[in-house]
Amino acid sequence: QVTLKESGPALVKPTQTLTLTCTFSGFSLSTIGMRVSWIRQPPDKALEWLARIDWDDDKFYSTSLKTRLTISKDTSKNQVVLTMTNMDPVDTATYYCARELWGFDYWGQGTLVTVSS
Amino acid sequence: DIQMTQSPSSLSASVGDRVTITCRTSQSISSYLNWYQQKPGKAPKLLIYAASSLQSGVPSRFSGSGSGTDYTLSISSLQPEDFATYYCQQSYDTPYSFGQGTKLEIK
Repeated sequence: QVTLKESGPALVKPTQTLTLTCTFSGFSLSTIGMRVSWIRQPPDKALEWLARIDWDDDKFYSTSLKTRLTISKDTSKNQVVLTMTNMDPVDTATYYCARELWGFDYWGQGTLVTVSS
Repeated sequence: DIQMTQSPSSLSASVGDRVTITCRTSQSISSYLNWYQQKPGKAPKLLIYAASSLQSGVPSRFSGSGSGTDYTLSISSLQPEDFATYYCQQSYDTPYSFGQGTKLEIK
């Protein structure tokens, strides 16, 4: 059974760095072809893809956010970590992690991050 | 970056209707097009991958088609549980991108 769960702070202040952890089970990120992405969704808005990490440690980022994002993995812990620097109120959103084989076939429940002083 | 244009942004329909949602991409994506359904407060659910392949467990009233830059999601006979927001997404190249969504409402 594949599961993913996001964890991290619910509230961050402007200019702070956000660190989110995706803890998963039921698959291994060392399996050839496996990928995990982070996706966010501001309240009542569309989905936005942020970053992806692959089984071979290749990493890919949103063009508009790449200077602020870092994605990493700890295969032994079955975790993927996303950091986003210089948080702003416009970054308030639900952040999801999702597994990708063909499409994002499994998603976490999402974690709401509010950016406010 | 590949741009996605999804239409319509909202749609009113009745139970039993057939509906179609379209997604156009700014360049050919060779059928690397996925469709998701999202209900309020929930994570998106994969319906269709690779333009026309039905994800396991998804009812057969959902179907996808298209090629090149133009893709469609069809629901053959709307059921009450189908009223939700639908998104297309390209996985042809990073950075990935999603459409702006289509909110399907009950008429």
